[in-house]
Amino acid sequence: TQLLEQSPQFLSIQEGENLTVYCNSSSVFSSLQWYRQEPGEGPVLLVTVVTGGEVKKLKRLTFQFGDARKDSSLHITAAQPGDTGLYLCAGDYHAGGTSYGKLTFGQGTILTVHP
Amino acid sequence: NAGVTQTPKFQVLKTGQSMTLQCAQDMNHNSMYWYRQDPGMGLRLIYYSASEGTTDKGEVPNGYNVSRLNKREFSLRLESAAPSQTSVYFCASQTRLSNQPQHFGDGTRLSIL
Repeated sequence: TQLLEQSPQFLSIQEGENLTVYCNSSSVFSSLQWYRQEPGEGPVLLVTVVTGGEVKKLKRLTFQFGDARKDSSLHITAAQPGDTGLYLCAGDYHAGGTSYGKLTFGQGTILTVHP
Repeated sequence: NAGVTQTPKFQVLKTGQSMTLQCAQDMNHNSMYWYRQDPGMGLRLIYYSASEGTTDKGEVPNGYNVSRLNKREFSLRLESAAPSQTSVYFCASQTRLSNQPQHFGDGTRLSIL
């Protein structure tokens, strides 16, 4: 079983601050996805990173995939109250076989941005 | 624009009762999944179905069974509910293409007393 360690588990910050969420594993993932989940709803995909060293930007969110494809980070610049939610990383691991989309999820980071 | 629909949204059971959670998707996706979400543990895969007619165990399958009724529907059954199965259950679907997102329903909140 592959494990994804996500940190921190909780983040409480003021509007305008920057933050970074980390996702680490001892296993190599073929791709890694970041999801955002709001209360009472299912997770919604933010981004997929596939190539080692890849950086993707989504407005104020920057996602990075580690060179060895074992870790990833999500950086939010100038956080806003609307960023509040649960952020989840999910790795797709398959050792040369077919993954069938079997994702391994991190524990999640609950982000609260105060006005 | 329904996407993935789960029923019921809430359920309370007594220990030992059985029930089936229903999931249907209208996106013509091949693969479907059942997860449970517990505080501090992210989502854990219970069972998945790579295509119609096939099912396979995920990380935490004990105490559950599934049926892929057709391409649209994938149900999860608890034969004899236990308090440890109190959780939020999510169904998801995905096209077979690589690196595509999983689309989730809004979850079923299940409490077992």
